Amino acid sequence: GQNIDQPTEMTATEGAIVQINCTYQTSGFNGLFWYQQHAGEAPTFLSYNVLDGLEEKGRFSSFLSRSKGYSYLLLKELQMKDSASYLCAVIDSNYQLIWGAGTKLIIKP
Amino acid sequence: DTAVSQTPKYLVTQMGNDKSIKCEQNLGHDTMYWYKQDSKKFLKIMFSYNNKELIINETVPNRFSPKSPDKAHLNLHINSLELGDSAVYFCASSRSPDSALLYEQYFGPGTRLTVT
Repeated sequence: GQNIDQPTEMTATEGAIVQINCTYQTSGFNGLFWYQQHAGEAPTFLSYNVLDGLEEKGRFSSFLSRSKGYSYLLLKELQMKDSASYLCAVIDSNYQLIWGAGTKLIIKP
Repeated sequence: DTAVSQTPKYLVTQMGNDKSIKCEQNLGHDTMYWYKQDSKKFLKIMFSYNNKELIINETVPNRFSPKSPDKAHLNLHINSLELGDSAVYFCASSRSPDSALLYEQYFGPGTRLTVT
């Protein structure tokens, strides 16, 4: 079966750094997405990784290791507005998008 | 301008009724999707559709049916609503896949369906 695992919830402090992990077991791999979803709103695109390594985009970075079936989203200089759910999604060999259950990130002052 | 729009934003109805949710995208995308997000916040794909192919998640009851009058619209029709259908339904769209990056999906604002 296809499976994507993320922690259910994490808590971090404003101004700090947090890493949200995602491990996947899918039939093939054609890329991995991270989406952000604020409460009551739609998911919005954050990043895409298809090759191993780190992709940096402002305060957010995403890392991928295909051999380990592992990715993480790194958020720096946390702000209160970063409180949201972060969804990991993998494109499998059939170009189907498989979604994780999401990690709820709580930022405390 | 709104890229992906859905109506209504809220829908409260009784068990056994039939209802529709409308979705429109003005991005020129070829593929549209319907997702269900339940109280546990798990995003579950229900359908993906382009002008060539309808892919149905086999776990979706046949009371749910997508209807596409044209490439910019994909409506969701639900027959004989049940309590368990209460959830937020998201419409999304993406370009046709020439590469995996084109699977970046743009989501509508969601429709919160409550069945009483």
